Amino acid sequence: NAGVTQTPKFRVLKTGQSMTLLCAQDMNHEYMYWYRQDPGMGLRLIHYSVGEGTTAKGEVPDGYNVSRLKKQNFLLGLESAAPSQTSVYFCASSYSQRRTEAFFGQGTRLTVV
Amino acid sequence: AQKITQTQPGMFVQEKEAVTLDCTYDTSDPSYGLFWYKQPSSGEMIFLIYQGSYDQQNATEGRYSLNFQKARKSANLVISASQLGDSAMYFCAMRGGSTLTFGKGTMLLVSP
Repeated sequence: NAGVTQTPKFRVLKTGQSMTLLCAQDMNHEYMYWYRQDPGMGLRLIHYSVGEGTTAKGEVPDGYNVSRLKKQNFLLGLESAAPSQTSVYFCASSYSQRRTEAFFGQGTRLTVV
Repeated sequence: AQKITQTQPGMFVQEKEAVTLDCTYDTSDPSYGLFWYKQPSSGEMIFLIYQGSYDQQNATEGRYSLNFQKARKSANLVISASQLGDSAMYFCAMRGGSTLTFGKGTMLLVSP
C-alpha cells in the first residue's frame, strides 16, 4: 500500500524555469492538499481540492497553479520559479469526514537558484 | 478564518519525564477537529492523535494524550514518559470545513 507518493523528491531549478510536482494517492481520498514548509513558518497551505475537477486557493497561492483531473492525482505547477519558492513541499490527502487524519507524502525539496 | 498558535518554539525534557506542548486555536466553525503530528529529522509527517470539537472526553493514544479545553480554545499535547525517539518537531493542526491549518510547530528535545 503506497499511500501518498510525491514525485520528484529533490529538484534544483533556475530562476524562471517551470516545473510540475506530482502527488498520487491510492486511498480513494476526496480531499488533497499542497503545503510548503519553511523554517519557523510551519506548514502553509498553497492550494487544495475537495474532489476531482475542483481546486481552491489556500493561504499562499501566488506563483502556483494546480490541477486535479483524476481523483488520485493532484499536480502543483510553478510557471516561472523564483528563489522565494525554495522550500520543502508536502502533499497530503484525506477523506472528507472531519474526524479523519490527513496522510502525507515524503516531501519534495525544491531549490531555486 | 482558522488560526493555530504554538507559542513554544522549543522545549527540553529529560527522558522518562512528561512534557506538555501548547496549542491554542481560533475558529468560528462550531464543528472542527484538532490533530497533532510529529515530524522527526527524517522529514516525514506522522499522525499522533485526534480530538473532535464535540468529543466529551480527552483523546488518548498510548503515551500521547490531548488536554482539550474548549472554553479556552486550547488543545495541548501531553507526552508521558518521554523517550529519546520523541525528539522531533510537533505540529498542532485544525480542520474546519475542507481546509487543514497548521501551527508553526514546537521542537522537542529529549535528553538522557
